[in-house]
Amino acid sequence: DVKVTQSSRYLVKRTGEKVFLECVQDMDHENMFWYRQDPGLGLRLIYFSYDVKMKEKGDIPEGYSVSREKKERFSLILESASTNQTSMYLCASSMVNTEAFFGQGTRLTVV
Amino acid sequence: SQKIEQNSEALNIQEGKTATLTCNYTNYSPAYLQWYRQDPGRGPVFLLLIRENEKEKRKERLKVTFDTTLKQSLFHITASQPADSATYLCALEGGGNKLTFGTGTQLKVEL
Repeated sequence: DVKVTQSSRYLVKRTGEKVFLECVQDMDHENMFWYRQDPGLGLRLIYFSYDVKMKEKGDIPEGYSVSREKKERFSLILESASTNQTSMYLCASSMVNTEAFFGQGTRLTVV
Repeated sequence: SQKIEQNSEALNIQEGKTATLTCNYTNYSPAYLQWYRQDPGRGPVFLLLIRENEKEKRKERLKVTFDTTLKQSLFHITASQPADSATYLCALEGGGNKLTFGTGTQLKVEL
């Protein structure tokens, strides 16, 4: 079974902190994605990566950066966390042009 | 601008009936369209993928249609059960491996 694992299920951080969300997949997928999900807004794509060290901005990249140094790991970085980044963060991976597999999500609260 | 629209109002149906959910899109030329199921507090789970050259696809009680002229996909669940209650999301590949989701439609199947 494909497994996408996010490092934390729940996270509480302070405003201004640098926050790292980690995602690991075990199926050698080329593509990895970071989304945030908010009530009424659905899943919004923050960044995605189609290969090691390659990244593309999604629809809402402001305030975020990403890192993909190894194929199996895709990190989302909040450079200086703000309260409006309180959200559910979902990581996914896929082969090219096939279904995506999601992690269990990280519920981040910025206080 | 690109848009993926799903009915934001919840759909309530009786057990045993067929549920039909709609996904409309604008300014996309997707090679394929996907449907996912999401339960509260969990990541989306892939259900079906339909390619642009396919009109219809079935999997057990699920059926998806894809009309690239109307720019619409319909998702049907026949003989619905309370366990089918969830939020259903459609997703499109928006070029360059970018996977974008609609906001989802909540389905409630009542006894």
